[in-house]
This record gives sequence, C-alpha cells and structure tokens, in this order.
Amino acid sequence: QSVLTQPPSVSAAPGQKVTISCSGGGSNIGNNYVSWYQQLPGTAPKLLIFDNNKRPSGIPDRFSGSKSGTSATLGITGLQTGDEADYYCGTWDSSLSAGVFGGGTKLTVL
Amino acid sequence: QITLKESGPTLVKPTQTLTLTCTFSGFSLTTLGVGVGWIRQPPGKPLEWLALVYWDDDKRYSPSLKSRLTITTDTSKNQVVLTMTNMDPVDTATYYCAHWPTSSAFGPWGQGTLVTVSS
Repeated sequence: QSVLTQPPSVSAAPGQKVTISCSGGGSNIGNNYVSWYQQLPGTAPKLLIFDNNKRPSGIPDRFSGSKSGTSATLGITGLQTGDEADYYCGTWDSSLSAGVFGGGTKLTVL
Repeated sequence: QITLKESGPTLVKPTQTLTLTCTFSGFSLTTLGVGVGWIRQPPGKPLEWLALVYWDDDKRYSPSLKSRLTITTDTSKNQVVLTMTNMDPVDTATYYCAHWPTSSAFGPWGQGTLVTVSS
C-alpha cells in the first residue's frame, strides 16, 4: 500500500486535457515539495515536475503541476498518443525521513 | 550531461546479499545539496523508494528495509553502492539509481537493472 494515493487509471481523447491527483498527509505532501514522473512502457521514469510546479528543461508546458494542502495534481493538456504512460507522484515524508511514491496512474489516450 | 548506470548481478539466490553499483557522470557527489538515490520496481508494480546518500554522506533509508540496506559512496570513482542482505523472491525487481539535485526530486534516472531472486 503506497503512502501517496493516486487513481489507478485515467483516460481522455487526443487533444483533450487530463488531471491526475495525488493525495497524502501532513507529514509528506502537506509540508514538502511534490514531484511527478512519467514512465513510458519499458523505460525508466523521467522527471516531469519538481518543487510542485517547476518543469525541467526540455519538458513541454503541456505538463503542469500544482499543490493544495495535502494533495497535488498533475495536468496534461493537448494529449498525444505518446503521452500514454504510467505517472507517479513523489515527495519526502518528514515522519519517515525518507522519500515516498504514489501507486502510479496509467494514462490511456483513447 | 548527467548519466547514471546500474550494474550488478541479474540473478541472486534467496538469503544471499545483493550488491549493486551506480556509476555516474556529469556531476560531483561533493557538490552542496546533491545526492544519489536508489529506487526499485517489482514487475508490474509501482516504484518503491529505497535509499539516498547526500553530498555530506548523510544517508536515509526506507524504514521498512532499513535493517537490510546499506548505501555507500566512492567519490573518486563516481560510484554509489547499494547492498541489500537476505534477498528473497519478493525482492525481484528492476533497481534504478537516480540523481538527486538540490531540488527535491530524482532526475535523471539510470536505465535500471533487473534483479531476479530465485534458487
């Protein structure tokens, strides 16, 4: 059972927008930065968002992140078939003194 | 350009100790705020955070695996080593190492190495 809760799957049509939620608690999301990772089939995870809403260089602005209280959200606009992947949220947990990940969300672009 | 690559055995027997090496380039583990971490992913399952070592040799471990894990560094070789004792078939997973820059996230990641635990 993951510390952070994500929906198992989401889907949307090409060109549409989708959001993926990540819920935690005060010891993790509530008091630490959130990051998001994209894992395309058969590949290593790739950093999409760090510090709640910042994008590394090379990540298109179709990807956005936000945080409110003990929840965070990843938004993807202008969906493409190449966006089909598993998406994970991550953060630090101050009580555990360790990092934690969500259970992952599989995005299907119909 | 930052790169990381994991190396180690692909098959270990139950009760054995696993030793994985992460060889990196493009950054120094002596730079303030920087770290290298290990994450694993059993087949078809989510990511699991394992361990992190910072530039000042501060080390953090997953509480559930702390008794079995050790993370060490060799800055002269640009390597980080993870050892996990008493391996069990449930430890079968792809093991990744990743760069931890001064921000609070992992990136980039190595390609991962699949470790199978079986007699």
